[in-house]
Amino acid sequence: AQSVTQLGSHVSVSEGALVLLRCNYSSSVPPYLFWYVQYPNQGLQLLLKYTTGATLVKGINGFEAEFKKSETSFHLTKPSAHMSDAAEYFCAVTLFSGSARQLTFGSGTQLTVLP
Amino acid sequence: DAGVTQSPTHLIKTRGQQVTLRCSPKSGHDTVSWYQQALGQGPQFIFQYYEEEERQRGNFPDRFSGHQFPNYSSELNVNALLLGDSALYLCASSLFVGTGTGELFFGEGSRLTVL
Repeated sequence: AQSVTQLGSHVSVSEGALVLLRCNYSSSVPPYLFWYVQYPNQGLQLLLKYTTGATLVKGINGFEAEFKKSETSFHLTKPSAHMSDAAEYFCAVTLFSGSARQLTFGSGTQLTVLP
Repeated sequence: DAGVTQSPTHLIKTRGQQVTLRCSPKSGHDTVSWYQQALGQGPQFIFQYYEEEERQRGNFPDRFSGHQFPNYSSELNVNALLLGDSALYLCASSLFVGTGTGELFFGEGSRLTVL
């Protein structure tokens, strides 16, 4: 079975500072990895995904993540935080490359951006 | 292009009652998955429907049941409600046979409060 661990349930950064949200996965086979963002009282929006190929993945709103197999990590970064980035972020993994898209989510990281 | 729509957005029930939540998938999608997101937690997979059949199921009791209609919309039913069923219920749609990237599109959720 696969699992995801997000280190740090709450992260605070100053506006303009680097954002780093950590995600480690456990999987017996190569995983597909995702980052979703959730704004208050809203559903989940896909930020970016890693399937195969290039290990550095760029997403929306200036976010990117790097798949590191040796470290079983998929950390999310953004060079310069904006107030609008304040939200909850979820890392997720799925093992199925075909039709059965069952995602396993981490417990989330609440990002606060300070003025 | 309409995204995933869910109804109702909020509802309050009492213990022992039954609830039905509804979901219309994104245009062109044929698969619906349901997730439960308890307060402060990541979403947990309940089940997935394709061709009007339950294809996969997570670790949820039989009190949770679903249905998919010929137009691909779906319902989630929960019987004999418990206080612990209070959560945000998220519907996600996808293509059963697609590019295999596992991307799900989420609705904004139905927030259920059980008193």
